[in-house]
Amino acid sequence: GDSVTQMEGPVTLSEEAFLTINCTYTATGYPSLFWYVQYPGEGLQLLLKATKADDKGSNKGFEATYRKETTSFHLEKGSVQVSDSAVYFCALSEGSGGYQKVTFGTGTKLQVIP
Amino acid sequence: NAGVTQTPKFQVLKTGQSMTLQCAQDMNHNSMYWYRQDPGMGLRLIYYSASEGTTDKGEVPNGYNVSRLNKREFSLRLESAAPSQTSVYFCASSEGTGSNQPQHFGDGTRLSIL
Repeated sequence: GDSVTQMEGPVTLSEEAFLTINCTYTATGYPSLFWYVQYPGEGLQLLLKATKADDKGSNKGFEATYRKETTSFHLEKGSVQVSDSAVYFCALSEGSGGYQKVTFGTGTKLQVIP
Repeated sequence: NAGVTQTPKFQVLKTGQSMTLQCAQDMNHNSMYWYRQDPGMGLRLIYYSASEGTTDKGEVPNGYNVSRLNKREFSLRLESAAPSQTSVYFCASSEGTGSNQPQHFGDGTRLSIL
């Protein structure tokens, strides 16, 4: 079955540091890939997505490239801010049996210190 | 811009009690979902409704029932609460069942079963 593996957290960085959160996946078909962000006390929000191989999703300075050959979708940001502190979820989505089947990773907590 | 609204935000129950979690979306989305979020396990799908008038089991449906009341509303019912159902519950919606469509989440209901 489908699965998503994210790097273990928490990840602690100083403000303006470079961020990478690794994500690899296993899928039977041709999934779309997503990064969601969850701030304390809130639900998940879409951060970015990519729907086919070699697509790059980007938003708010974050980027991720859909790499089919390495089955990866790593999240990167060149310079993190304190406001980026949150939990980040990698997810894959496939249409399956008439519904949108989404498989989430376990989440990576990011803490950015001033 | 309410999006997905969940009520209540917090609830404490005793073992054996019943309750209904409410969810409503104002985006005219066809598909709605209920997830539970537990530490270290990501999000797991409880039930989904691909369209108005249909509901189906997800990954962890035991102990739960759902009702798609209309296109906007999708409720989750615990008939006889158990401590293992202590969790954070999220409702989500999407425009349809296509794999490339993001899901939109409510802020969650934090449920404790004593």
